[in-house]
Amino acid sequence: DAGVTQSPTHLIKTRGQHVTLRCSPISGHKSVSWYQQVLGQGPQFIFQYYEKEERGRGNFPDRFSARQFPNYSSELNVNALLLGDSALYLCASSFPDIAYNEQFFGPGTRLTVL
Amino acid sequence: AQRVTQPEKLLSVFKGAPVELKCNYSYSGSPELFWYVQYSRQRLQLLLRHISRESIKGFTADLNKGETSFHLKKPFAQEEDSAMYYCALSASSGTGNQFYFGTGTSLTVIP
Repeated sequence: DAGVTQSPTHLIKTRGQHVTLRCSPISGHKSVSWYQQVLGQGPQFIFQYYEKEERGRGNFPDRFSARQFPNYSSELNVNALLLGDSALYLCASSFPDIAYNEQFFGPGTRLTVL
Repeated sequence: AQRVTQPEKLLSVFKGAPVELKCNYSYSGSPELFWYVQYSRQRLQLLLRHISRESIKGFTADLNKGETSFHLKKPFAQEEDSAMYYCALSASSGTGNQFYFGTGTSLTVIP
């Protein structure tokens, strides 16, 4: 197993555009969480999905949305991009839930908004 | 509000010296706390978690509810311990799960 995979690795967008980031969890993991990491800061929790349902949401605007598919992969969507959305976006999977259990992180998608 | 504070952004110690990375938290419920580590060019990974009460790579962390702290300690630092360390808190409530990371401490072990 390659672990958690994320695509694309890097992405450059302009202000106002929309972006979709993708994540494939470790086989057998049913929970996927998304984080935003700005340079010099710790990861900030955006969403958690478990069994295709949203189980947690961080303090992010409605421009951020996500979903989980029947195969437990997930997409993070960001609309109307702002310069401040430039960051590393991390995906993590866990089994069964994040409350007590180890999260396995992907390598991240580096988003640059110009 | 739930919050995790790591007061030191940078910490340098000599090889063989004791090391302590500080973490304080603010949470009204019963906390579940973790330490995650990121070595150079590697992914963020779990180092240890409070609920397991385990020692990993010689590191331990004790939850002090009175001081709301979860400091990470190791009696004798090794060069391979140089990395970025994040303290994290898991919060679950009727409205859902939240997970909070601190801003991280970059540890450098000097040979």
